[in-house]
Amino acid sequence: VVLTQSPLSLPVTLGQPASISCRSSQSLVYTDGNTYLNWFQQRPGQSPRRLIYKISNRDSGVPDRFSGSGSGTDFTLKISRVEAEDVGIYYCMQATHWPPITFGQGTRLEIK
Amino acid sequence: EVQLVESGGDLVQPGESLRLSCAASGFTFGLHWMSWVRQAPGKGLEWVANINQDGSETHYVDSVKGRFIISRDNAKNTLYLQMDSLRAEDTAVFYCSRLRSFDFWGRGTKVSVSA
Repeated sequence: VVLTQSPLSLPVTLGQPASISCRSSQSLVYTDGNTYLNWFQQRPGQSPRRLIYKISNRDSGVPDRFSGSGSGTDFTLKISRVEAEDVGIYYCMQATHWPPITFGQGTRLEIK
Repeated sequence: EVQLVESGGDLVQPGESLRLSCAASGFTFGLHWMSWVRQAPGKGLEWVANINQDGSETHYVDSVKGRFIISRDNAKNTLYLQMDSLRAEDTAVFYCSRLRSFDFWGRGTKVSVSA
């Protein structure tokens, strides 16, 4: 399964919204009905951190300005109002069809 | 609190071997599939290997098949990655995490392969 993220670079003004797309080469719906599509944030110099699991479930401690949506093959991560601490690289990942587990190429979010 | 602590990374020459460890705590380690994921310098995340709860089933990315072996010791709550015939392209930070959730990540351990 190939995951294609867009854009790969995302300059955003503080306080403005941001959106990242992740498209899969095949449906990510598993036989149990779940869709194992996660989103991760990697701040500069840090380990990845999961933000969203199974399309739209926000992890504990993740600000509610982050939201995930989508179905089947098209998924989106949205940030309602970008803050300085949101700078980093965002990855989508699928764990529906494995091996292999696959990640998107990453989207670099920067402040304009 | 779930913790994953990777160790064992080092600077080695091409063709040499390394054994990475991941010490897990804060959850019932033996109930979870586990994974290794790596990140080459300036690159994205790449899944490397998975292992099931009792170690009887493993999977690898094609580029490491025949060279890397994932294993675990549930009594010690520890995941391992034996890496043989290392190549320059294996240079990366290696992370362990729980399959399928990938909900927790350690700080990683750095492997550098260079002559």
